[in-house]
Amino acid sequence: DVKVTQSSRYLVKRTGEKVFLECVQDMDHENMFWYRQDPGLGLRLIYFSYDVKMKEKGDIPEGYSVSREKKERFSLILESASTNQTSMYLCASSEGGGNQPQHFGDGTRLSIL
Amino acid sequence: DQQVKQNSPSLSVQEGRISILNCDYTNSMFDYFLWYKKYPAEGPTFLISISSIKDKNEDGRFTVFLNKSAKHLSLHIVPSQPGDSAVYFCAAEEESSGDKLTFGTGTRLAVRP
Repeated sequence: DVKVTQSSRYLVKRTGEKVFLECVQDMDHENMFWYRQDPGLGLRLIYFSYDVKMKEKGDIPEGYSVSREKKERFSLILESASTNQTSMYLCASSEGGGNQPQHFGDGTRLSIL
Repeated sequence: DQQVKQNSPSLSVQEGRISILNCDYTNSMFDYFLWYKKYPAEGPTFLISISSIKDKNEDGRFTVFLNKSAKHLSLHIVPSQPGDSAVYFCAAEEESSGDKLTFGTGTRLAVRP
């Protein structure tokens, strides 16, 4: 079974802080993704990565950056947290090659005060 | 611009009856479609998928139907069980996008005992 692990289930930070969300997958997947989920808006793609040190912007990259130094680890960084970044953050991975499902972690509920 | 639409935010069904969840899309380049189920405080779980070369795919109680001319897909759950109560997301992948998905906004299914 694919295991995608997000480092924190719940996180509370203050505005202006730099926030790191970590994600690790154990299936040697090529692709990794970061989403945020908000009520009524579904899942929106923030950034994704097809390979180590590669990153691509998703639909809502503003205010975020990512890092993929190792194949199994994909980090999401909030450079200067703001209250509108309070959300559920979901990490996913997939094998690559097209027509492959993504497998998700359990999410991090992030609150910015 | 919402390329994948789930127009029913919620659905309530009696246990044992059929649940039908609907999804419409606008992008004719989508060639792979997926359904995910999400329980509160958990990540989405992959349920079933269908390629655009098919019009039906079955897996146990779950069947997905694809009508390419109408740009419509549906998920049928028969018979519905209380444990099926969750939020269901429809997702679509564009040809050659490398597993990158566009998600709908979700439908909350409640199965009444």
